[in-house]
Parts: sequence; structure tokens; C-alpha cells
Amino acid sequence: ETGVTQTPRHLVMGMTNKKSLKCEQHLGHNAMYWYKQSAKKPLELMFVYNFKEQTENNSVPSRFSPECPNSSHLFLHLHTLQPEDSALYLCASSETVNTEAFFGQGTRLTVV
Amino acid sequence: QKEVEQDPGPLSVPEGAIVSLNCTYSNSAFQYFMWYRQYSRKGPELLMYTYSSGNKEDGRFTAQVDKSSKYISLFIRDSQPSDSATYLCAMSAAGADSWGKLQFGAGTQVVVTP
Repeated sequence: ETGVTQTPRHLVMGMTNKKSLKCEQHLGHNAMYWYKQSAKKPLELMFVYNFKEQTENNSVPSRFSPECPNSSHLFLHLHTLQPEDSALYLCASSETVNTEAFFGQGTRLTVV
Repeated sequence: QKEVEQDPGPLSVPEGAIVSLNCTYSNSAFQYFMWYRQYSRKGPELLMYTYSSGNKEDGRFTAQVDKSSKYISLFIRDSQPSDSATYLCAMSAAGADSWGKLQFGAGTQVVVTP
């Protein structure tokens, strides 16, 4: 295991639902990331948090709302998603934004 | 035009063969080059990391960077069925937040048959 744990592993939600993805790292890292991985497409960086402060929002729609209450936890709150938002959502962490990132196993999200 | 191009495969090779993977890129500012391996239902894990041009070897894996051609390669010698995975290239420009601004290729699926 990489030390980055994501829950749930699988999630099916309707377009009107509200749900949250959780990421926890036990590595003492200070930077955390959300990525989106769609089939046959490159990983897309969504958000970067450095010492709990958001430093990057890669033009992500507002129906995705991140939260970083401390350096060990990262959430992605989801509401009124679209079917095209179905993807694997990966969390990663790194000691700093200039060091290797370790990925969690991802949450497979299906929007119906 | 995508910043990083990578053939999605699948690439099927017999056990023991050399696997050859590559990516091309358009941004001449890229200085850091990585290869990740992603098994099914897992997150990506870092395999190789090189800075600027040149070769780097680690066991059965060799990474090459040709900045003049904007082309990077990963070779896997004596391939094993356990090497079956999707291989992602990634790269970033030098400077602050370099690991926080990686640009990934779409990944190449590799299948090594016994």
C-alpha cells in the first residue's frame, strides 16, 4: 500500500445526489492532489492543496468542491453531477509540491 | 494539439521480449520526465524519474529522454507477465510546484503473454 487511502472505492450516484469522496494519507505529507482519470484520456489535475491551502484549481466546474481540513485529509464534495463526470478519481500526496507524489487506489464514480 | 502524446495500445508481447514504450511532447519547457505503472484497479506508482536529457537504468527498466526530438522512451527487458499494466508517461517544467503540475500521457496498455 502507498499510505494514501481513498473511500469509497466505488460510488454510484444520481445526478441530483450529493456525495463526498474522502482521502487520507499517513505519510506526513504537506501537499495533496485530486486527479480525474477518464478512459483513454490523460490524468487531469483538478486541485492542489499545499499546507491546507488551495494553490491550484484547474478550471474545475463548481459542482466539484474540495475541502482540506488538515494536511492528512482531503475531501471532494460532489453535487448535481453529469454522466460525463463518471471516471476514476485519484487522490495523491507528496512531502512538498516539488517531490514525488504517491497515489491512492482511486474512487470509481458512476453518475446515472 | 495535446501537450503529451502516447499511443494507448494495447501492446502485446511474449514473455521475455523487450517492451518499448514512448511519448512525444510539444512543450520545450519540460525538464522532468517520469514513467508511472498502473495495475488494474490501482493508482499509478512511480517507476522511473529523469531530469533533462539522457538515459537512466534501474534493473530491467531503462528510461531515455531526447529533448531535441521531444521524445521519451521506456524499455522493459526480459518482460514478465507481472509487467502487464498500463504505463503512463508524465512530465513537467522546472521550477516551483513541478510535481504539482504534471502533464500526463493517456497511457499505453501492455500485455505480456506467458
